[in-house]
Amino acid sequence: DTAVSQTPKYLVTQMGNDKSIKCEQNLGHDTMYWYKQDSKKFLKIMFSYNNKELIINETVPNRFSPKSPDKAHLNLHINSLELGDSAVYFCASSTRLAGELTDTQYFGPGTRLTVL
Amino acid sequence: AQSVTQLGSHVSVSEGALVLLRCNYSSSVPPYLFWYVQYPNQGLQLLLKYTTGATLVKGINGFEAEFKKSETSFHLTKPSAHMSDAAEYFCAVRTSNDYKLSFGAGTTVTVRA
Repeated sequence: DTAVSQTPKYLVTQMGNDKSIKCEQNLGHDTMYWYKQDSKKFLKIMFSYNNKELIINETVPNRFSPKSPDKAHLNLHINSLELGDSAVYFCASSTRLAGELTDTQYFGPGTRLTVL
Repeated sequence: AQSVTQLGSHVSVSEGALVLLRCNYSSSVPPYLFWYVQYPNQGLQLLLKYTTGATLVKGINGFEAEFKKSETSFHLTKPSAHMSDAAEYFCAVRTSNDYKLSFGAGTTVTVRA
């Protein structure tokens, strides 16, 4: 009954490879996010989808491509992996509740990507 | 655009002592403010949030925070630290019409026995 789940939890790969990280939420939320946490634990938004529509697209290399097949899923595909892509990637989801001016983002457990 | 500054990247407290984590924000419109906690090798968990109304907000695990507009601050406190409070704490800000959550650099809390 995990709210926001990510697979895999750990991903070790060689430079130049292409890899994907999957995220699923069972909270019925309509907005999903990808964050990157670097080695200094700094968190930065990468992308956000609302009802399968891209609404946030920060300055991220084109090698990163999010895909949202439906409201409950948001995947992240990374082409031509580089050493600097090593980080922990977090998925999150949220929704706007009637009568509530803001929403809380619920985070997944993270995917630790190591590029060798 | 909004931003958050967390003063002190590392705070060490004795078990039973007061925990005080400082957060100052910058926002051109009324902010919504959040504190998240990250335990080792885990995702982020919401501790508490301020949207509107009462400026003193109570959260989980005995934490609370006070929104002070005049000081642009949202400091997090807990009267008595427990060993289980050792974690990374993040302050974050967003506005009502912006999905983007901007995080501070985080504060690592260690608790001494």
